[in-house]
Amino acid sequence: EAGVAQSPRYKIIEKRQSVAFWCNPISGHATLYWYQQILGQGPKLLIQFQNNGVVDDSQLPKDRFSAERLKGVDSTLKIQPAKLEDSAVYLCASSLADRKLFFGSGTQLSVL
Amino acid sequence: GNSVTQMEGPVTLSEEAFLTINCTYTATGYPSLFWYVQYPGEGLQLLLKATKADDKGSNKGFEATYRKETTSFHLEKGSVQVSDSAVYFCAGQGGSEKLVFGKGTKLTVNP
Repeated sequence: EAGVAQSPRYKIIEKRQSVAFWCNPISGHATLYWYQQILGQGPKLLIQFQNNGVVDDSQLPKDRFSAERLKGVDSTLKIQPAKLEDSAVYLCASSLADRKLFFGSGTQLSVL
Repeated sequence: GNSVTQMEGPVTLSEEAFLTINCTYTATGYPSLFWYVQYPGEGLQLLLKATKADDKGSNKGFEATYRKETTSFHLEKGSVQVSDSAVYFCAGQGGSEKLVFGKGTKLTVNP
């Protein structure tokens, strides 16, 4: 069974630039999550989708972050404009109704 | 809201040593508790879980018991191996609430 796919693996940008991350969840998983993992901290949920609807985006900085899952399958997370404090690993996860999460390898973002 | 506090690392052990990583939680009600592991260069993987008081989760020689009286879910392994070197995250999830992670504990096992 294929796992959660994420790309790119690494990204380096300058502050105020834009960046986008892509995630393809495990086939059949209706729930998709984006987490932000800052160095030395545990992952923090940014947004949770159920199919193509948003379930929880309470911790998403909506002035600069956006995410979509238009067809209820893959998803993109965008940051525009990026700040230095956005440097982190962005993790995508997916699950079935049992809420057992399967994580991708993440995208490591460095904002200079 | 729920919160999880785990022992800060890094932890360095010799092969075959005994491992304990402490984790305590704060929640309303009784959340499900998890340990996730992140091997170098890989994503997080569920290691074990417990969904109610006195449950014991176990996997790959690791164990953790859900202790309601001490609100704890400490991770233990009797004899660690070099291949256990990773970052371990304790996490909790109450009812319909989001999964909340601890800060992670980096374990290095030397041969």
